[in-house]
Amino acid sequence: GESVGLHLPTLSVQEGDNSIINCAYSNSASDYFIWYKQESGKGPQFIIDIRSNMDKRQGQRVTVLLNKTVKHLSLQIAATQPGDSAVYFCAEILTGGGNKLTFGTGTQLKVEL
Amino acid sequence: ETGVTQSPTHLIKTRGQQVTLRCSSQSGHNTVSWYQQALGQGPQFIFQYYREEENGRGNFPPRFSGLQFPNYSSELNVNALELDDSALYLCASSLIAGGQSDTQYFGPGTRLTVL
Repeated sequence: GESVGLHLPTLSVQEGDNSIINCAYSNSASDYFIWYKQESGKGPQFIIDIRSNMDKRQGQRVTVLLNKTVKHLSLQIAATQPGDSAVYFCAEILTGGGNKLTFGTGTQLKVEL
Repeated sequence: ETGVTQSPTHLIKTRGQQVTLRCSSQSGHNTVSWYQQALGQGPQFIFQYYREEENGRGNFPPRFSGLQFPNYSSELNVNALELDDSALYLCASSLIAGGQSDTQYFGPGTRLTVL
């Protein structure tokens, strides 16, 4: 069936470097994408979202890029900090899909000092 | 903090028992969605309640049921518990207005262990 997937299960970066987490989706009917951060033992925390009529959106230290041509989503974290260590999920909502989030399997981001 | 609360934090049950999990949504939100997250995986959609009615359901059997109350809080009930029901159960609240979905904000989850 349709799914949202992540390219890399684990990403290790040095503190202060930029991080890029990638996500591929297969359903062209998806119209809303969200990145969540989940720390151990906690619920997913909203980071940033983007709708399908946009290709870029920026937040505080984070940028999401959407390439609908190749069905690819990425999360860029600038000046990565130890507190950014967590599992990152991309999730999608399909047009007419009942407002349910479909999550990928997640990418573990490890920040090395 | 999202303002979404869940209770209890942890729960241990035995196979065949029934469990009720509770969720209080963020102020101003009218929709609650429930997700099951197995260890090492992404959350899986169970169902959603909007204005006290079920508004979509994932691939879960009927022994997973729910309620939403007039104050928009919600319960998830699971009957005849199985070992595979052991997971983190997450609720997320959001606002549906004008037919458009909005960001879902998650609570801390309830860790259910079935022995």
